Amino acid sequence: GEDVEQSLFLSVREGDSSVINCTYTDSSSTYLYWYKQEPGAGLQLLTYIFSNMDMKQDQRLTVLLNKKDKHPSLRIADTQTGDSAIYFCAESHGGSQGNLIFGKGTKLSVKP
Amino acid sequence: EAQVTQNPRYLITVTGKKLTVTCSQNMNHEYMSWYRQDPGLGLRQIYYSMNVEVTDKGDVPEGYKVSRKEKRNFPLILESPSPNQTSLYFCASSLTLSGYGYTFGSGTRLTVV
Repeated sequence: GEDVEQSLFLSVREGDSSVINCTYTDSSSTYLYWYKQEPGAGLQLLTYIFSNMDMKQDQRLTVLLNKKDKHPSLRIADTQTGDSAIYFCAESHGGSQGNLIFGKGTKLSVKP
Repeated sequence: EAQVTQNPRYLITVTGKKLTVTCSQNMNHEYMSWYRQDPGLGLRQIYYSMNVEVTDKGDVPEGYKVSRKEKRNFPLILESPSPNQTSLYFCASSLTLSGYGYTFGSGTRLTVV
């Protein structure tokens, strides 16, 4: 079945770049999303990429997609302590169920 | 402000006591969905609705019911809650099935004792 995998933890120093990796299995995926969840809060859509794109940049965020390996990654440049959160990768193919399949989330800790 | 509103934010209840978590969106979205979030399991879809009076099961529907009598509202009903339904619940709405533009509510933390 469909599956989305992420590493569970990532720790970086303030000012460094963070790279959060994801892998999905559904070859019919259309969209790939990155959500941010801060403690006690809901999910905030950060960015997305169509599965036929290679890269998308939005200010400090860059999404790279290795289509062959179904391997999207989220890069956060100049990581700040306010970036500490759980980051979820999710994919959808717009099928009849319209479901987003989420990874288990990567907890990013930013050390000063 | 465009938003998805869930109520309550926190709820502690006892096993077997029926409860309803409300969800309302003001964006005229056709597609609405309920997810539960559990540690180590990520988010899993419970039920979804593609329009008024059109609902269907997601991946983990057991023990839940939903209704969609109006476009803006999509309540989640637990007829006889059990401790394994202790979780963080999110309602979401979207203009399209692809999930593009998904907006999530702030979540409802439910504890069943």
